[in-house]
Amino acid sequence: DIQMTQSPSSLSASVGDRVTITCRASQSIRTSLNWYQQKPGKAPKVLIYVASSLQSGVPSRFSGSGSGTDFSFTISSLQPEDFATYFCQQSYATPWTFGQGTKVEVK
Amino acid sequence: QVQLQESGPGLVKPSQTLSLTCTLSGGSLSSGDYYWTWIRQHPGKALEFIGYIYYDGSPYYNPSLKSRLTLSVDRSKNHFSMKLSSVTAADTAVYYCARGDYGGPSNWLDPWGQGTLVTVSP
Repeated sequence: DIQMTQSPSSLSASVGDRVTITCRASQSIRTSLNWYQQKPGKAPKVLIYVASSLQSGVPSRFSGSGSGTDFSFTISSLQPEDFATYFCQQSYATPWTFGQGTKVEVK
Repeated sequence: QVQLQESGPGLVKPSQTLSLTCTLSGGSLSSGDYYWTWIRQHPGKALEFIGYIYYDGSPYYNPSLKSRLTLSVDRSKNHFSMKLSSVTAADTAVYYCARGDYGGPSNWLDPWGQGTLVTVSP
Protein backbone atom coordinates (compact mmCIF):
# COMPACT_ATOMS: atom_id res chain seq x y z
CA ASP A 1 0.00 0.00 0.00
CA ILE A 2 1.11 3.58 -0.60
CA GLN A 3 1.70 5.33 2.72
CA MET A 4 0.64 8.95 3.05
CA THR A 5 2.36 10.99 5.74
CA GLN A 6 0.95 14.36 6.72
CA SER A 7 2.68 17.00 8.76
CA PRO A 8 2.12 18.48 11.15
CA SER A 9 -0.44 16.27 12.90
CA SER A 10 -1.87 19.38 14.51
CA LEU A 11 -1.27 23.11 14.48
CA SER A 12 -2.56 26.18 16.27
CA ALA A 13 -3.34 29.28 14.27
CA SER A 14 -5.28 32.54 14.40
CA VAL A 15 -7.88 33.96 12.08
CA GLY A 16 -6.10 35.59 9.17
CA ASP A 17 -3.03 33.36 9.37
CA ARG A 18 -1.60 31.55 6.37
CA VAL A 19 -1.60 27.82 7.04
CA THR A 20 0.31 25.17 5.12
CA ILE A 21 0.03 21.39 5.50
CA THR A 22 2.27 18.91 3.74
CA CYS A 23 1.63 15.38 2.56
CA ARG A 24 4.32 12.96 1.46
CA ALA A 25 3.69 9.73 -0.44
CA SER A 26 5.85 6.65 0.00
CA GLN A 27 6.25 6.46 -3.80
CA SER A 28 5.43 8.70 -6.72
CA ILE A 29 1.71 9.24 -7.19
CA ARG A 30 2.07 11.86 -9.93
CA THR A 31 -0.84 14.22 -9.26
CA SER A 32 -3.33 11.65 -7.96
CA LEU A 33 -3.78 13.52 -4.70
CA ASN A 34 -6.88 15.02 -3.12
CA TRP A 35 -7.51 17.10 0.02
CA TYR A 36 -10.53 16.90 2.33
CA GLN A 37 -11.85 18.92 5.23
CA GLN A 38 -13.67 17.21 8.10
CA LYS A 39 -15.51 18.97 10.91
CA PRO A 40 -16.47 17.14 14.14
CA GLY A 41 -19.35 14.73 13.63
CA LYS A 42 -19.47 15.38 9.90
CA ALA A 43 -18.36 13.55 6.80
CA PRO A 44 -15.24 14.74 4.96
CA LYS A 45 -15.71 17.19 2.11
CA VAL A 46 -13.40 17.39 -0.88
CA LEU A 47 -11.67 20.75 -1.33
CA ILE A 48 -8.87 20.02 -3.82
CA TYR A 49 -8.58 17.24 -6.41
CA VAL A 50 -5.83 16.26 -8.83
CA ALA A 51 -3.38 18.00 -6.48
CA SER A 52 -4.33 21.57 -7.37
CA SER A 53 -7.86 21.79 -8.78
CA LEU A 54 -10.36 23.64 -6.61
CA GLN A 55 -13.68 21.83 -6.16
CA SER A 56 -16.69 23.82 -7.30
CA GLY A 57 -18.05 26.06 -4.55
CA VAL A 58 -14.88 25.94 -2.44
CA PRO A 59 -13.43 29.36 -1.51
CA SER A 60 -10.32 30.44 -3.37
CA ARG A 61 -8.34 30.85 -0.13
CA PHE A 62 -7.79 27.07 -0.34
CA SER A 63 -5.09 25.83 -2.70
CA GLY A 64 -2.97 22.78 -3.37
CA SER A 65 0.28 22.07 -5.16
CA GLY A 66 2.83 19.37 -5.79
CA SER A 67 3.46 16.23 -7.78
CA GLY A 68 5.36 13.01 -7.41
CA THR A 69 5.82 12.41 -3.68
CA ASP A 70 5.53 15.88 -2.10
CA PHE A 71 2.38 17.92 -1.85
CA SER A 72 1.18 20.94 0.04
CA PHE A 73 -2.17 22.41 0.97
CA THR A 74 -2.53 26.07 1.91
CA ILE A 75 -5.20 28.25 3.43
CA SER A 76 -4.15 31.77 2.52
CA SER A 77 -6.11 33.56 5.25
CA LEU A 78 -7.65 31.32 7.89
CA GLN A 79 -11.33 31.96 8.58
CA PRO A 80 -13.32 30.90 11.68
CA GLU A 81 -15.11 28.17 9.72
CA ASP A 82 -11.78 26.63 8.65
CA PHE A 83 -10.93 25.17 12.06
CA ALA A 84 -11.22 21.48 11.22
CA THR A 85 -9.18 18.39 10.38
CA TYR A 86 -7.67 18.05 6.91
CA PHE A 87 -6.78 14.79 5.16
CA CYS A 88 -4.88 14.01 2.00
CA GLN A 89 -5.81 10.96 -0.10
CA GLN A 90 -4.02 9.23 -2.95
CA SER A 91 -5.82 7.47 -5.79
CA TYR A 92 -2.79 6.55 -7.87
CA ALA A 93 -3.02 2.92 -6.80
CA THR A 94 -5.54 0.76 -5.02
CA PRO A 95 -6.11 0.50 -2.16
CA TRP A 96 -6.66 4.25 -2.02
CA THR A 97 -5.07 5.56 1.17
CA PHE A 98 -5.39 8.61 3.38
CA GLY A 99 -3.00 10.63 5.46
CA GLN A 100 -3.48 10.55 9.21
CA GLY A 101 -4.96 14.03 9.27
CA THR A 102 -3.93 17.50 10.43
CA LYS A 103 -6.08 19.20 13.04
CA VAL A 104 -6.15 22.99 12.72
CA GLU A 105 -6.97 24.48 16.10
CA VAL A 106 -7.54 27.95 17.49
CA LYS A 107 -4.38 29.55 18.88
CA GLN B 1 -28.12 17.19 -6.27
CA VAL B 2 -26.82 13.73 -5.49
CA GLN B 3 -27.12 12.65 -1.87
CA LEU B 4 -26.12 9.42 -0.15
CA GLN B 5 -27.53 7.90 3.02
CA GLU B 6 -26.18 4.95 4.95
CA SER B 7 -28.50 2.63 6.86
CA GLY B 8 -28.10 -0.48 8.96
CA PRO B 9 -27.80 -1.72 12.54
CA GLY B 10 -25.78 0.39 14.92
CA LEU B 11 -24.85 -2.58 17.10
CA VAL B 12 -23.47 -5.91 15.91
CA LYS B 13 -22.32 -8.81 18.05
CA PRO B 14 -18.80 -10.20 17.71
CA SER B 15 -18.44 -12.95 15.06
CA GLN B 16 -21.63 -11.79 13.30
CA THR B 17 -21.97 -10.01 9.96
CA LEU B 18 -22.15 -6.24 9.64
CA SER B 19 -24.55 -5.22 6.85
CA LEU B 20 -24.95 -1.67 5.58
CA THR B 21 -26.79 -0.12 2.67
CA CYS B 22 -26.18 3.19 0.95
CA THR B 23 -29.15 4.71 -0.85
CA LEU B 24 -28.65 7.26 -3.59
CA SER B 25 -31.08 10.12 -4.16
CA GLY B 26 -31.00 12.80 -6.82
CA GLY B 27 -29.25 10.50 -9.27
CA SER B 28 -28.98 6.96 -10.57
CA LEU B 29 -26.42 4.23 -9.95
CA SER B 30 -26.81 3.36 -13.62
CA SER B 31 -25.68 6.73 -14.95
CA GLY B 32 -22.08 7.78 -15.19
CA ASP B 33 -18.96 5.73 -14.61
CA TYR B 34 -18.55 6.28 -10.91
CA TYR B 35 -16.98 4.27 -8.13
CA TRP B 36 -19.54 3.59 -5.38
CA THR B 37 -17.27 3.50 -2.38
CA TRP B 38 -17.18 2.52 1.29
CA ILE B 39 -14.80 4.12 3.82
CA ARG B 40 -14.61 3.77 7.59
CA GLN B 41 -13.13 5.83 10.37
CA HIS B 42 -12.20 4.35 13.71
CA PRO B 43 -12.92 6.67 16.65
CA GLY B 44 -10.47 9.57 16.58
CA LYS B 45 -8.47 7.97 13.81
CA ALA B 46 -7.68 8.29 10.14
CA LEU B 47 -9.89 7.19 7.27
CA GLU B 48 -9.66 3.65 5.90
CA PHE B 49 -10.72 2.73 2.36
CA ILE B 50 -12.89 -0.40 2.39
CA GLY B 51 -13.64 -0.88 -1.31
CA TYR B 52 -15.90 0.11 -4.15
CA ILE B 53 -18.38 -1.15 -6.70
CA TYR B 54 -17.61 0.27 -10.11
CA TYR B 55 -20.58 1.45 -12.22
CA ASP B 56 -20.37 -1.77 -14.27
CA GLY B 57 -20.84 -3.86 -11.12
CA SER B 58 -17.27 -5.00 -10.70
CA PRO B 59 -16.06 -4.77 -7.09
CA TYR B 60 -12.71 -3.85 -5.61
CA TYR B 61 -11.91 -5.00 -2.09
CA ASN B 62 -9.18 -3.66 0.14
CA PRO B 63 -6.88 -6.69 0.59
CA SER B 64 -6.88 -6.07 4.34
CA LEU B 65 -10.62 -6.88 4.43
CA LYS B 66 -11.08 -8.98 1.30
CA SER B 67 -11.58 -12.32 3.02
CA ARG B 68 -14.52 -10.96 5.03
CA LEU B 69 -16.05 -8.42 2.65
CA THR B 70 -18.80 -8.54 0.05
CA LEU B 71 -19.94 -5.52 -1.94
CA SER B 72 -23.04 -5.48 -4.12
CA VAL B 73 -25.37 -3.15 -5.97
CA ASP B 74 -29.14 -3.21 -6.50
CA ARG B 75 -29.94 -0.83 -9.35
CA SER B 76 -33.70 -1.39 -9.03
CA LYS B 77 -33.55 0.07 -5.52
CA ASN B 78 -30.83 2.57 -6.37
CA HIS B 79 -28.65 1.40 -3.54
CA PHE B 80 -25.38 -0.43 -2.93
CA SER B 81 -24.40 -2.51 0.04
CA MET B 82 -21.57 -3.98 2.05
CA LYS B 83 -21.35 -7.04 4.25
CA LEU B 84 -18.42 -7.61 6.60
CA SER B 85 -18.36 -11.02 8.24
CA SER B 86 -16.79 -12.29 11.46
CA VAL B 87 -16.62 -8.84 13.01
CA THR B 88 -14.60 -8.01 16.10
CA ALA B 89 -14.28 -4.92 18.26
CA ALA B 90 -11.65 -3.69 15.81
CA ASP B 91 -14.45 -3.18 13.26
CA THR B 92 -16.15 -0.59 15.47
CA ALA B 93 -16.10 2.58 13.39
CA VAL B 94 -18.13 5.19 11.58
CA TYR B 95 -18.90 3.80 8.14
CA TYR B 96 -19.31 6.16 5.20
CA CYS B 97 -20.44 5.63 1.65
CA ALA B 98 -19.32 8.02 -1.07
CA ARG B 99 -19.28 8.47 -4.81
CA GLY B 100 -15.90 8.18 -6.42
CA ASP B 101 -15.51 10.63 -9.25
CA TYR B 102 -12.54 10.90 -11.53
CA GLY B 103 -10.78 13.32 -13.81
CA GLY B 104 -7.45 12.77 -15.48
CA PRO B 105 -5.13 11.02 -13.08
CA SER B 106 -7.16 11.13 -9.90
CA ASN B 107 -10.27 9.75 -8.23
CA TRP B 108 -11.84 11.77 -5.47
CA LEU B 109 -14.79 11.13 -3.19
CA ASP B 110 -17.76 13.45 -3.47
CA PRO B 111 -20.38 13.49 -2.12
CA TRP B 112 -20.28 11.48 1.08
CA GLY B 113 -23.09 10.09 3.17
CA GLN B 114 -23.43 11.45 6.69
CA GLY B 115 -21.90 8.29 8.15
CA THR B 116 -23.24 5.67 10.52
CA LEU B 117 -21.60 4.47 13.70
CA VAL B 118 -21.39 0.71 14.01
CA THR B 119 -20.37 -0.71 17.37
CA VAL B 120 -19.28 -4.31 17.75
CA SER B 121 -20.15 -5.46 21.25
CA PRO B 122 -21.73 -8.51 22.91
